[in-house]
Formats: sequence, C-alpha cells, structure tokens
Amino acid sequence: DAGITQSPRYKITETGRQVTLMCHQTWSHSYMFWYRQDLGHGLRLIYYSAAADITDKGEVPDGYVVSRSKTENFPLTLESATRSQTSVYFCASSRNTPNQPQHFGDGTRLSIL
Amino acid sequence: GENVEQHPSTLSVQEGDSAVIKCTYSDSASNYFPWYKQELGKGPQLIIDIRSNVGEKKDQRIAVTLNKTAKHFSLHITETQPEDSAVYFCAASTSNAGNMLTFGGGTRLMVKP
Repeated sequence: DAGITQSPRYKITETGRQVTLMCHQTWSHSYMFWYRQDLGHGLRLIYYSAAADITDKGEVPDGYVVSRSKTENFPLTLESATRSQTSVYFCASSRNTPNQPQHFGDGTRLSIL
Repeated sequence: GENVEQHPSTLSVQEGDSAVIKCTYSDSASNYFPWYKQELGKGPQLIIDIRSNVGEKKDQRIAVTLNKTAKHFSLHITETQPEDSAVYFCAASTSNAGNMLTFGGGTRLMVKP
C-alpha cells in the first residue's frame, strides 16, 4: 500500500530556476492539496484540486503553478524560484465524500539559494 | 472564513502524566474535526477525528471532546510516553467546503522520561 508519495524529498536550487515537486497517490482520491509549512505559519494551503483538470487557488498561490492531468498526480511548479519559497512542501489527498480526513505525504524540503 | 486557534503552543509533561490541547473555531457550520500528529521529518498523520453528531470519541490513550455550543474541541492524551513527543495540529472543516481543512497553529508536546 504505497499511499501518497512525494519526490524529491530534498532539493536545493538557485533563485530564478524552475523546479517541480511531484506528488503521487494510489488511492484514487478525488481531492489533492499542496501546503507549505514554515516556522510560525503552520500549514498554509497553496493550491488544491477537486478532480482531474480542476484546480483552484488556496491561501498563498502566488509564484506557483499546478496541473492535474491524471487523478493520481498533482505536480507543483515554481516557475522562477525565489528565496521566500524556501520551505517544506506537503501534498495531501482525500476522498470525495464530506468530512473525510486528508492524508499527507512526507514532504519535500526545498532550499533556494 | 473559518479561523482555528490552538493552545498551548508548547507543552511539556512528565512521562505518565496526561496532556490536553485545546482548539476553538469560529464557523458554527464546521462539523468535522481531525487531529494530526507530526513527527520530525514526517508529514502530519491523522490520529483521531470527531464529527459534530458526537461529543466524545476515544481510541486507547487518546480522546477528543467537542463542545459545539462553545465552539471548542480538545485532545486528551493519557499515560503519556516519550514517543508521544511531536507537534499536534487540530483542524476544522464544513461539509460544504470540499474537504478543505483549516488548521490550528500547532502544539509542540514534549514528554520527559
């Protein structure tokens, strides 16, 4: 039971570079989410998706792009990375019935130099 | 929108003692309240959840209580063990919100042997 996996686990890149974080889930969950976690800010929602080809902005979407061509994948792209995007990024998924928990991956620690 | 406040931000207890973490929410339409445990280097993991049609739920050493009138819910951990040391997050959701969760700011629990 693979669940939800994120890759890479760690990434170091430079400002201005494009970087893509991958998220894959094996449960066929309809909903998928991207969060960033920073000290003092808890978990902040970047983008979410209710189904394939349906995405919507969360609390902090600026500087990020998402796509969802397949139900199981939800990549997050930083088109031109900035130092303020240094963070730990978590992907989560949940079923399409009300009041269901989100299940999280183990995160990607991204450092932008 | 929903706002979830969590207290305390840090909690230190002796092994074997009980720990209580409290959360308040603002949206009276919220009806689903999960609790997550996050260990170092890992993603948040669901430990227990409660829906608004019950006032209390227990699973071995952990329990959650919900007071809908006062709009607060609490996590209780009895007979704490060193492996309970982690960051705990509460969250709230409404059935109309597409399984969107609003998270509290987190509580760092330290259990001293």
